[in-house]
Amino acid sequence: DQQVKQNSPSLSVQEGRISILNCDYTNSMFDYFLWYKKYPAEGPTFLISISSIKDKNEDGRFTVFLNKSAKHLSLHIVPSQPGDSAVYFCAASPWPNAGNNRKLIWGLGTSLAVNP
Amino acid sequence: GAGVSQSPRYKVAKRGQDVALRCDPISGHVSLFWYQQALGQGPEFLTYFQNEAQLDKSGLPSDRFFAERPEGSVSTLKIQRTQQEDSAVYLCASSQYRDEKLFFGSGTQLSVL
Repeated sequence: DQQVKQNSPSLSVQEGRISILNCDYTNSMFDYFLWYKKYPAEGPTFLISISSIKDKNEDGRFTVFLNKSAKHLSLHIVPSQPGDSAVYFCAASPWPNAGNNRKLIWGLGTSLAVNP
Repeated sequence: GAGVSQSPRYKVAKRGQDVALRCDPISGHVSLFWYQQALGQGPEFLTYFQNEAQLDKSGLPSDRFFAERPEGSVSTLKIQRTQQEDSAVYLCASSQYRDEKLFFGSGTQLSVL
C-alpha cells in the first residue's frame, strides 16, 4: 500500500506559467517532507523540504505547501522554465531525530514537461 | 570528489552470478543509505549506516543482499545469486548526521539476464 501518493504521473506546462505538483500521504507519523528532482540517468537531487510545524516553505521559484489535516502537500514552481523538466518525487519521514528510523518513503514521481 | 560516486555505472549479470556495487560517499558524511529503484517506481529503502554501524537493514529484500561499510567511508552492496527481479537502479546516498537532505550518486543500473 502506497503511503506516499503522487496521483499524476505526468504534467505539461507552458514556460513562464505555474507548475503545481501534488502529493498525498496516509501515515500520520510522517513529520517531515521533501521534494527531490531527478533528471534521466542521474540520482535524485534535493529541492526543498518542510516540517510539519510549518505550512509553507519558500526557496526562490519553489514553494512547498503542507496541509496536515488533509495529509496533502504541493510543490509550486513559478515561473516554470524548460530546465525544470524532470521527474519530481515527494518523500516523507518521521522527524529526523526519531531514533534510528532514517528511511524516506517515496512516491512514484510526477514527470514534468515545461514547453518553451 | 565533490559528490557521491558509484561504480560501476552499468552492470549486466547472468542469473545466479554474484555482483558487488561500490559507493564512495561525500567526505565527512556520517550517514550512508542504499536505495533500490525499479523502473517507473520511486526509490525503495534498503539499508542505512551511521559510520561503520549498520543501524537499519529492514529494507533488504532477502538474505542474498548484504551491505557493508567497514571503515565508515566506502560502502559495498553485494547481491549473491542474482535473480531477474533484482534488475533495478541501485542508488547510494549520503548525508550529514541526522540531516534528511540526502545527496545521491548517479546509481548503478543492474540488469540480470
